Amino acid sequence: LAKTTQPISMDSYEGQEVNITCSHNNIATNDYITWYQQFPSQGPRFIIQGYKTKVTNEVASLFIPADRKSSTLSLPRVSLSDTAVYYCLVGPTGPGNNRKLIWGLGTSLAVNP
Amino acid sequence: DVKVTQSSRYLVKRTGEKVFLECVQDMDHENMFWYRQDPGLGLRLIYFSYDVKMKEKGDIPEGYSVSREKKERFSLILESASTNQTSMYLCASSLRTRGGYTFGSGTRLTVV
Repeated sequence: LAKTTQPISMDSYEGQEVNITCSHNNIATNDYITWYQQFPSQGPRFIIQGYKTKVTNEVASLFIPADRKSSTLSLPRVSLSDTAVYYCLVGPTGPGNNRKLIWGLGTSLAVNP
Repeated sequence: DVKVTQSSRYLVKRTGEKVFLECVQDMDHENMFWYRQDPGLGLRLIYFSYDVKMKEKGDIPEGYSVSREKKERFSLILESASTNQTSMYLCASSLRTRGGYTFGSGTRLTVV
């Protein structure tokens, strides 16, 4: 099972770019990297998923180096509403593989005015 | 907007009661999941289902059972509620082979 390591907490200010790095040294060939965002008293929300290189959508970018042993979630120009816990998950997709996803404690991002 | 809907946001039940938590998704997803989330422990998988009438144990199935009679509905059952089952319960769904989870808003269950 691919275990992930990410910082427990981060602080930032409005308008800054925030990069949260996740380490996953024993990532397997068929594993994908997925990031979620969670606000208090809500379920996690899917942000982005990737396998290699760079993926970008309307809210974030995901950078994955060639060795895939780490990944970086990049949030451009954060606002106060981006204050949340961010989770990095590594695992295969497909039927029967879901139990192999391990949820860590995530990174608690605080965006200050 | 696609949705996973959990029947209750807050529940208070007595020890020994049988508790039903209902989850419905409108995305035609094959996979459905039940997690619980506790401070300092993160999300832990209780049960999941990748098809109607199919179920598989997750990491902490003891004291729980599930039912999936229809594709869109996945129920979590606490056979005899205990105080250590006080928690936030999260339902999620996903496509069979790609993409991430869509979660419901959660049910905060308190067992007294």
